[in-house]
This record gives sequence, structure tokens and C-alpha cells, in this order.
Amino acid sequence: GNSVTQMEGPVTLSEEAFLTINCTYTATGYPSLFWYVQYPGEGLQLLLKATKADDKGSNKGFEATYRKETTSFHLEKGSVQVSDSAVYFCALRAYNNNDMRFGAGTRLTVKP
Amino acid sequence: KAGVTQTPRYLIKTRGQQVTLSCSPISGHRSVSWYQQTPGQGLQFLFEYFSETQRNKGNFPGRFSGRQFSNSRSEMNVSTLELGDSALYLCASSLEGGETQYFGPGTRLLVL
Repeated sequence: GNSVTQMEGPVTLSEEAFLTINCTYTATGYPSLFWYVQYPGEGLQLLLKATKADDKGSNKGFEATYRKETTSFHLEKGSVQVSDSAVYFCALRAYNNNDMRFGAGTRLTVKP
Repeated sequence: KAGVTQTPRYLIKTRGQQVTLSCSPISGHRSVSWYQQTPGQGLQFLFEYFSETQRNKGNFPGRFSGRQFSNSRSEMNVSTLELGDSALYLCASSLEGGETQYFGPGTRLLVL
């Protein structure tokens, strides 16, 4: 079945450091890939998405590229801020199916 | 546009009771999905409703049920509550199958 494996945290970085959170997936066909972010006490917010191979999703300085050859969708940000502290979830959804599969989540803490 | 709303935000119940959670999707969205989030199991898909019909179902016991109304609002019901049902229950809406899901803030259920 479809599944997502992401780097487990916690990850602690200093402000302005480079961030990478690894995400790989297993799926049949061509799933859509997502990164969601969850701040304390809140629901999930869509951070970025990509719907086909080689697409790059980007938002608020975060980027991720859909790599079909390596079945990966790694999240990157060049310079993190304290306000980026949150839990990040990688997710996939098979075509025309709302059964989303989520990774375990990666907790990021950014220290000033 | 208003986001996905969920009520109540917090709930405390005792074992054996039942509970009903409500979700109002983004205006115009016809698909509503429900997820359970726990520290141990992460995010797990419960079910999806589209045009008042259950379209997908996750691997949860029959104590978990749901429905959708003609205005797309959805409710989920858990009967005979168990301690392990303590979780954050998230609702997500999308236009219809194959679209990005937008999440509500969740209902935090504590079963004593």
C-alpha cells in the first residue's frame, strides 16, 4: 500500500541555519505529494504541494521537489527562523483518492 | 473565505459514553475527511464523505461512524468510548476528489 517515511526528529537548529527534512514515499501510480505544518494546539496547515514528477512546490521560503526516480520529496529552507518551530508532516494522496497517508512528523525547534 | 471549523474544540468524556463531533467545511467544498491523531499512531485516516455518501474508509472499528448533510457539514460519532480513543480529531475539506485538503483546528477528546 501507499506509505510515507520521513526523518524523525526532533531537529534543533539555530536561527538562519539550513533545514532539510527527508521524506520518501511508496506508492503505485503518480501520487500528489504535500508538506503540512502543525503549530502547537492547532490543526494542519498546507505548506506546499507538488502533483507530478519534477514539480517544485514552494512557500514562505520552503521548497520541495517531487523526485520520482528517488521517490522523494525532501523539504528544504535556506535560513530558518524561530517562528518556523513546529511539526512538519510529509503526506501523499493517490490520484483521485482522498485517503491521505502521512509520515510520522518531524518536530523542528529553532533557537535564537 | 472562512476556513474549516470544528466544534467543540475540547471534550472530556468517560469510558462507555458516546460522542459526536462536528465539522463545517470551507464553503463550496463537498468532500470532508476525518483523521485521528495520537502520539503513538500519528495521523490515521478515518473516513471520507462526498455528497452525503461515505466514499473511503480507514481501518477503524465500527464504533467510529460518520455522516454528511446536504450542506456538506459532517459529523463523526464514536460510541462506547475507550481510553485509547483519546486523541485529536481532525477534519479536512476539499472541493472533491483529487484536490488539496484543508484542515480544521481539530477537536481534542479526552476519555477518562
